[in-house]
Amino acid sequence: EVQLVESGGGLVQPGGSLRLSCAASGFTFSDHYMDWVRQAPGKGLEWVGRSRNKVHSYTTEYAASVKGRFTVSRDDSKNSLYLQMNSLISEDTAVYYCARVLPSGTADDLWGRGTLVTVSS
Amino acid sequence: DIQLTQSPSFLSASVGDGVSISCRTSQGIRSYLAWFQQKPGKAPKLLIYGTSTLQSGVPSRFSGSGSGTEFTLTISSLQPEDFATYYCQQLNSYPLTFGGGTKVEIK
Repeated sequence: EVQLVESGGGLVQPGGSLRLSCAASGFTFSDHYMDWVRQAPGKGLEWVGRSRNKVHSYTTEYAASVKGRFTVSRDDSKNSLYLQMNSLISEDTAVYYCARVLPSGTADDLWGRGTLVTVSS
Repeated sequence: DIQLTQSPSFLSASVGDGVSISCRTSQGIRSYLAWFQQKPGKAPKLLIYGTSTLQSGVPSRFSGSGSGTEFTLTISSLQPEDFATYYCQQLNSYPLTFGGGTKVEIK
């Protein structure tokens, strides 16, 4: 089955760290760029960051709100995408989705169910 | 950053109605616009990409159009399963950005 499954969410104190994982199956993970997108409770969608594929040297892009605090990485041998989140603040509280980017780069066509991160003392 | 302004923010309509949702961008984005549908507690679902290309499996009552800075999602005849929130997203330049969303509710 073609799917993405996120894990690693939970409750973390302000200033803390958390690492999210996204396990891909049913498609050739290494071919695709991959995104992280988040959604705060009751709010809209916010793009967080992107990992390009090996052909493009696994380079990354980030939203300004997370740059310098969050790191997107991947392990193609494990068909997995990661989001390392440091220096967490309350505004980072959200459901985090991983998503597969179409080969054309024109949209995210496959999404996971998301994992909830709550930053609170 | 490119700002996306969706209108209306809220839309009340009946089954069988035709509706349109607008997405205006603060800069030209060529055709790099996508539309998503999201239902409560669920992940977004891709409907349209490249402004007007229907994603596989999406009903043909959904269509996208536009160019430059003005884009539109049209649902030709609302079905009960279409009541949801819709988002546009630009993929022309980083950071990628979404519109604020349009909630479509049953009248």
